[in-house]
Amino acid sequence: DADVTQTPRNRITKTGKRIMLECSQTKGHDRMYWYRQDPGLGLRLIYYSFDVKDINKGEISDGYSVSRQAQAKFSLSLESAIPNQTALYFCATSVGDRGFGETQYFGPGTRLLVL
Amino acid sequence: SQKIEQNSEALNIQEGKTATLTCNYTNYSPAYLQWYRQDPGRGPVFLLLIRENEKEKRKERLKVTFDTTLKQSLFHITASQPADSATYLCALEAGNQFYFGTGTSLTVIP
Repeated sequence: DADVTQTPRNRITKTGKRIMLECSQTKGHDRMYWYRQDPGLGLRLIYYSFDVKDINKGEISDGYSVSRQAQAKFSLSLESAIPNQTALYFCATSVGDRGFGETQYFGPGTRLLVL
Repeated sequence: SQKIEQNSEALNIQEGKTATLTCNYTNYSPAYLQWYRQDPGRGPVFLLLIRENEKEKRKERLKVTFDTTLKQSLFHITASQPADSATYLCALEAGNQFYFGTGTSLTVIP
């Protein structure tokens, strides 16, 4: 079984709709991340969480919100989806010594299309 | 903000040759740098990590170098195989965040 799972894997929605992407992990890692990937722009960090009570904005957090329901669960919400949020979204966890060497483990991704 | 540049063009090489991918960065002095592999439609997979005090790191057919003066890392795949065809990403940590390059697409031709 996959260590980092994401649901749904594919989603088509309309402009203005609220949607939630969910991420679960069985790796027991405290740190979790949400990224989006766009052609030519690479992976960009949206939000990250170092534990259940710690949520931080990443490089591109506008238009998104997150919830860390438990150590193993980290959800990403688009309150009012817009077409330029069409992208491939990845959840990740990490382990290691901060500042010394962390390894990230990525989920399979959610492909989102906003019409 | 961090800027990370990788070979923007796709790299095509013959099977058995050595592939060399470049990662250049600016605006920071990372304590370490990482390389990931990404296959189409899948999440990146960690390959290697090299710290600032390490000049070179090897893992099987993979070799990474890290030159903090040039602000550059090189990623080598020796004796390349068609199964090595993928996109390779470099990443660094700065200010509690990870920054990724856009990746280099590698195709190994049989």
